[in-house]
Amino acid sequence: AQSVTQLDSHVSVSEGTPVLLRCNYSSSYSPSLFWYVQHPNKGLQLLLKYTSAATLVKGINGFEAEFKKSETSFHLTKPSAHMSDAAEYFCVVSESSSNTGKLIFGQGTTLQVKP
Amino acid sequence: GAVVSQHPSWVICKSGTSVKIECRSLDFQATTMFWYRQFPKQSLMLMATSNEGSKATYEQGVEKDKFLINHASLTLSTLTVTSAHPEDSSFYICSARQAGVYNQPQHFGDGTRLSIL
Repeated sequence: AQSVTQLDSHVSVSEGTPVLLRCNYSSSYSPSLFWYVQHPNKGLQLLLKYTSAATLVKGINGFEAEFKKSETSFHLTKPSAHMSDAAEYFCVVSESSSNTGKLIFGQGTTLQVKP
Repeated sequence: GAVVSQHPSWVICKSGTSVKIECRSLDFQATTMFWYRQFPKQSLMLMATSNEGSKATYEQGVEKDKFLINHASLTLSTLTVTSAHPEDSSFYICSARQAGVYNQPQHFGDGTRLSIL
């Protein structure tokens, strides 16, 4: 069975410092992995996706993530946090065994950015 | 591209009322749409998978007679919360996946905040 674990429920950084949001996954298949961001009372916006191409994936707004099969990790990083990055972030794996398109969500990480 | 529009964004209504939420893919066709429910400070919970031209597939524990889903076209799915009660108050989000393209990400609507008085 596939699963996703976001290792931190809350991360706080100062503006201009690096961001690291950690995600580990479990999958019997070659996974498709995504990071989504959710601002308050909004839907989810796709930041980036990994679908078995390059292991270092660049996304929008300066975010990137590295797929590490040996560590079953897909951590999200950004070199310099901006106040507008404060939001909820979800690491997501696509249920690939049956091509149902179902997504399996992590529990989310709240990113706080301090001035 | 890949915009999903969800309407309404806010609904406040009395207990016993039925509420319909629409989810539209504006610039792509979606044979499959998904309906989620999100409680405060929690992750998204998949309620059902909506398939164009066929019956929706509901997740375990979700009452299909309570949450009616219709996916009559390749760009529109609706969720109707029938005889809503205060415990149905929540944030409902839809998403759509582009038809015929494997491993494409789901694109999400902006959600509907439902408050039952």
